[in-house]
Amino acid sequence: GNSVTQMEGPVTLSEEAFLTINCTYTATGYPSLFWYVQYPGEGLQLLLKATKADDKGSNKGFEATYRKETTSFHLEKGSVQVSDSAVYFCALSDRTGGGNKLTFGTGTQLKVEL
Amino acid sequence: DAGVTQSPTHLIKTRGQQVTLRCSPKSGHDTVSWYQQALGQGPQFIFQYYEEEERQRGNFPDRFSGHQFPNYSSELNVNALLLGDSALYLCASSFLAGARHNEQFFGPGTRLTVL
Repeated sequence: GNSVTQMEGPVTLSEEAFLTINCTYTATGYPSLFWYVQYPGEGLQLLLKATKADDKGSNKGFEATYRKETTSFHLEKGSVQVSDSAVYFCALSDRTGGGNKLTFGTGTQLKVEL
Repeated sequence: DAGVTQSPTHLIKTRGQQVTLRCSPKSGHDTVSWYQQALGQGPQFIFQYYEEEERQRGNFPDRFSGHQFPNYSSELNVNALLLGDSALYLCASSFLAGARHNEQFFGPGTRLTVL
């Protein structure tokens, strides 16, 4: 079955530091890949997505590239802010069975300090 | 444009009771999925409803059931509650027909506590 593996947190960075959160996946077929963000006490918000190999998703300074050869979708940001503190989830979706269910990783908590 | 809404926000039940959670999808969406998120974990897929039918189901027992109404809203029912059912229940909506890869939009969740 499908699975997603993320680096464990928490990740603690100083403001303006470079961020990388690793994500690798196992899937049958050709999944779409997503990063979702969850702020304290809230639901999930879609941060970015990529639907095919070599696609780069980007939003709010965050980027991730769909690497089929390494089955990876690492999240990066060049300069983090305190407001980026949240839990980040990598997820995949394929259309097996006709639906579009999401399979999530366990999440990586990011703490950004001044 | 209202996003995905869920009710109630919080709920406290005791073991053995039954609970019903409700979800209204984002305008224009026809598919509702339910996820269970235990504390400190990623969301786990429960099931997905499309055209008022359960289309996909995750690895959850039959105590978990659902329904989708003609207006696309949905309910999640859990019978014979266990302590382990305590979690954040997330509803997500999407537009299944059409584009091959449709993102899901999530509601704020219902926090269920089973005592």
